[in-house]
Amino acid sequence: DSGVTQTPKHLITATGQRVTLRCSPRSGDLSVYWYQQSLDQGLQFLIQYYNGEERAKGNILERFSAQQFPDLHSELNLSSLELGDSALYFCASSVDPGDDSPLHFGNGTRLTVT
Amino acid sequence: QQQVKQSPQSLIVQKGGISIINCAYENTAFDYFPWYQQFPGKGPALLIAIRPDVSEKKEGRFTISFNKSAKQFSLHIMDSQPGDSATYFCAAGSNFGNEKLTFGTGTRLTIIP
Repeated sequence: DSGVTQTPKHLITATGQRVTLRCSPRSGDLSVYWYQQSLDQGLQFLIQYYNGEERAKGNILERFSAQQFPDLHSELNLSSLELGDSALYFCASSVDPGDDSPLHFGNGTRLTVT
Repeated sequence: QQQVKQSPQSLIVQKGGISIINCAYENTAFDYFPWYQQFPGKGPALLIAIRPDVSEKKEGRFTISFNKSAKQFSLHIMDSQPGDSATYFCAAGSNFGNEKLTFGTGTRLTIIP
């Protein structure tokens, strides 16, 4: 068990809808990362937060947004959903992004857009 | 743009054999190269990582070989076991370790008895 909790595990929704994915990092970890995993693309970095502040941005669509709250949990909001947004969304956390401490991944949220 | 190319996409190895997965990168700013292991239904977990100041790092049956001039690195699993059957991802990062890690597309490894 990585200590990272992601909810919900599965989400099925229709095109055009909006969903929120939630992540609770491992106790003591200040950094939260969001990744998208699709079959042909592997793991794509979306965004990183450190202690409530956006730290780094990857290939995150404008329809997607995220935030990290004072209690360090994070939410990823996906809006105007398209079929191509169907994927596994992983949250990961680490103690400090500036060293080689490992990323601890949750078990992911599987999003299906119909 | 794919900055880390991983091969093969899938690999079948007999129990006790050596599993080899290769990765190549383009960005010379990369200076941190971890490998992650993922079992079905789980998130990836760090297996082993290397910095370019060494050419090889070994942890138990797992070894990373790194060739800076060729911009390639590989994972070797010695004495492969059925429990090693998983998907393996190489990754590369720069500046600060885990920031904006670029992952390869993964290798599905199956160890057969």
